[in-house]
Amino acid sequence: QKEVEQNSGPLSVPEGAIASLNCTYSDRVSQSFFWYRQYSGKSPELIMSIYSNGDKEDGRFTAQLNKASQYVSLLIRDSQPSDSATYLCAVIFQAGTALIFGKGTTLSVSS
Amino acid sequence: GAGVSQSPSNKVTEKGKDVELRCDPISGHTALYWYRQSLGQGLEFLIYFQGNSAPDKSGLPSDRFSAERTGGSVSTLTIQRTQQEDSAVYLCASSLGAGDIQYFGAGTRLSVL
Repeated sequence: QKEVEQNSGPLSVPEGAIASLNCTYSDRVSQSFFWYRQYSGKSPELIMSIYSNGDKEDGRFTAQLNKASQYVSLLIRDSQPSDSATYLCAVIFQAGTALIFGKGTTLSVSS
Repeated sequence: GAGVSQSPSNKVTEKGKDVELRCDPISGHTALYWYRQSLGQGLEFLIYFQGNSAPDKSGLPSDRFSAERTGGSVSTLTIQRTQQEDSAVYLCASSLGAGDIQYFGAGTRLSVL
């Protein structure tokens, strides 16, 4: 069974703080990992993709992947109220197959 | 257009009726996916098309659901004899190829009364 697990939250952080979102997955041979952001009533939009162990940074966002621990995380630095959304972790378990999504973590950034 | 286009944006139907949902992927994308997002549920995979290969239908919840992709581009998801539990947002995504980043359309919100 291919599963992706996330804490549903809500995760509440003050403006300017670091938000840390975590995700675990069930299959050690998984290849591709994605973080999507979804605002209420909108479709998911890609934030980050990561394919190899280590950190990948893009602006205020850093994705971290540890395949041995089957763990991927997303750090958001200098959190802004506009970052308030649901963050979806998604995994492609095997090449040529669809994304398997976690249920998402709701982030609330207070000003 | 530049992105994935889905129509209609909203669909209200009566229980037992058939519905068709349309997806127009990003030009040049060979892979097309359908997902469903129900209230309180995560995004669940329904069906995947890659080029001219046979589709991966492993996510379809029942035989009332079917999809086709004509000419390697536009796709239609058909739900026959709709049930109230079919009420959800149906999302289409496309990617350049298998395993590449998927870009989502705005979705079709289906309400079955």
